[in-house]
Amino acid sequence: DAMVIQNPRYQVTQFGKPVTLSCSQTLNHNVMYWYQQKSSQAPKLLFHYYDKDFNNEADTPDNFQSRRPNTSFCFLDIRSPGLGDAAMYLCATSRPGTLNTEAFFGQGTRLTVV
Amino acid sequence: AQKITQTQPGMFVQEKEAVTLDCTYDTSDQSYGLFWYKQPSSGEMIFLIYQGSYDEQNATEGRYSLNFQKARKSANLVISASQLGDSAMYFCAMREGGVTGGGNKLTFGTGTQLKVEL
Repeated sequence: DAMVIQNPRYQVTQFGKPVTLSCSQTLNHNVMYWYQQKSSQAPKLLFHYYDKDFNNEADTPDNFQSRRPNTSFCFLDIRSPGLGDAAMYLCATSRPGTLNTEAFFGQGTRLTVV
Repeated sequence: AQKITQTQPGMFVQEKEAVTLDCTYDTSDQSYGLFWYKQPSSGEMIFLIYQGSYDEQNATEGRYSLNFQKARKSANLVISASQLGDSAMYFCAMREGGVTGGGNKLTFGTGTQLKVEL
């Protein structure tokens, strides 16, 4: 009964070759997030959507883009992956507006850059 | 400055014992929410417990309880009667007030790796 599904679970890409990670949700939540988590580090927010409104974090590199064609789906595009982009990428969703709203996470996509 | 600080990179506990995972936070907001998540080796973040800044009682959820000391800005997670399945990474996280458009952000600490031993 997975509610936030990320595909693929593992992705190997070549240095500089564009790659897309996908996330879908069955919760009908307005807000979707993309986090990058490197080994032994805190998950770092890259950007989030509130419905179709896109909110980019100030320190997210331009190399990272996102698309949300509808409520259920969100994509993370890495235009030219570098070795430093190898990480776990976590998608999450939440309802908007209240402090006690927890975020629901997918199982993540582990990206390897070769 | 770090908003969420978890000073214990790794912790060991014996099965059936209790363990406390530390978390301190930094915010100037009066309204905020504190969360604990568990991340097993499979990668998924699992929500454990929530504490609101205005909640007078410490939150509890089964074997999990939150020792909330607002003046000290700490929100430690207590796991009672540890089980082997509790072995995982544990993250403390915070939502701050001042929400615009509902896209309030969840900021995470660096986590504590908990290992439960027989």
